[in-house]
Amino acid sequence: QQQVKQSPQSLIVQKGGISIINCAYENTAFDYFPWYQQFPGKGPALLIAIRPDVSEKKEGRFTISFNKSAKQFSLHIMDSQPGDSATYFCAASTTSGTYKYIFGTGTRLKVLA
Amino acid sequence: DAGVTQSPTHLIKTRGQQVTLRCSPKSGHDTVSWYQQALGQGPQFIFQYYEEEERQRGNFPDRFSGHQFPNYSSELNVNALLLGDSALYLCASSPRGADWSPLHFGNGTRLTVT
Repeated sequence: QQQVKQSPQSLIVQKGGISIINCAYENTAFDYFPWYQQFPGKGPALLIAIRPDVSEKKEGRFTISFNKSAKQFSLHIMDSQPGDSATYFCAASTTSGTYKYIFGTGTRLKVLA
Repeated sequence: DAGVTQSPTHLIKTRGQQVTLRCSPKSGHDTVSWYQQALGQGPQFIFQYYEEEERQRGNFPDRFSGHQFPNYSSELNVNALLLGDSALYLCASSPRGADWSPLHFGNGTRLTVT
């Protein structure tokens, strides 16, 4: 029940295309869903996050879509650029109590120039 | 404004040895969490420290222990190292109280156990 399932494991997209990464969770107590971007040799950096009270959040080229009834959320990267090539992790947490995050297994994105 | 800093960046140890990793939280943050990231996997929660006490612990054996100092910096200690302990160890900080805030990660310490 604590798992967050992420797919696909890897993704190759042409420059200018749309990258889509999906995550699903079981625990309905989760109420905070961040996405992190990680470059080789670096720690994860917060990209964008969403709470369950909204179905979509957009920041620049990055959009999170959230489906509470299906317990799924996804990251859309519009106009993907070679600089977006990185590993992306979804995560889930509860905002009450502690800040323990449950991470997905990651998606390695490669954007071809 | 310094972010989360970790030291050392890389470390090589032998099975059975002990290791100490260090973390300084982002300015203004007082809560420190440690995560283990195996190669090709997502980070896994080890434990969290607040007010110099362990607040929550993940599914890690007692060989993993930690400490938080009055200046909010933290150490992660791993005893009796196993080959399977080879991983990137990430420290993350967050502010406690007030408004809720996401985790900020450091760049990690890459531990190799031979």
